[in-house]
Amino acid sequence: QSVLTQPPSVSAAPGQKVTISCSGSSSNIGNNYVSWYQQLPGTAPKLLIYDNNKRPSGIPDRFSGSKSGTSATLGITGLQTGDEADYYCGTWDSSLRVLVFGGGTKLTVL
Amino acid sequence: EVQLVESGGGLVQPGGSLRLSCAASGFTFSSYWMSWVRQAPGKGLEWVANIKQDGSEKYYVDSVKGRFTISRDNAKNSLYLQMNSLRAEDTAVYYCARDVRGRRGSYYYYYMDVWGKGTTVTVSS
Repeated sequence: QSVLTQPPSVSAAPGQKVTISCSGSSSNIGNNYVSWYQQLPGTAPKLLIYDNNKRPSGIPDRFSGSKSGTSATLGITGLQTGDEADYYCGTWDSSLRVLVFGGGTKLTVL
Repeated sequence: EVQLVESGGGLVQPGGSLRLSCAASGFTFSSYWMSWVRQAPGKGLEWVANIKQDGSEKYYVDSVKGRFTISRDNAKNSLYLQMNSLRAEDTAVYYCARDVRGRRGSYYYYYMDVWGKGTTVTVSS
């Protein structure tokens, strides 16, 4: 059971938009910054979003992040088949004093 | 090119030991906290341990405390994870990752901006 809750799966058609939610509490998302990671099949995770809504160099602006209260959201527009991957949210938990991840969401581009 | 390369994984019997290594290149290794993150087969990511730039602070997830030891050698640009008393539930791909962490006011930021490709640890008889 992960500290952060994500839907197990989401799907959408190519070219469409999808959002992935990440729900936590005041000890983690509510009072700390959120990051998002993309894990393509058979590869290592890759940083997608940090500080709630910032993109590392090289990440296209089709990917966006937001946070409100104790929840965060990853948005992906203009879906491509190459976006099929597992997506994880992560943040610091001030009570547990560890980095925590969500359980991951599998994105299928139909 | 910024790079992390893990090694040392393999098949080990329950109760056995293994030492993982991570070779860093392309950045000033001694300037960063570093972490190990694992992923059990078909499961999500789990942070395992991290270590401060000079090795003076180390933290572990509860499930590995007393069994795993994280260390680093800044002269060799290397990170290590000594794993003892291994259990079947330690079976996973182990990733080495570079931490970016800090505090702005009362808010913490903590993320991993560089990841290695991982090394597989299988604990089985």
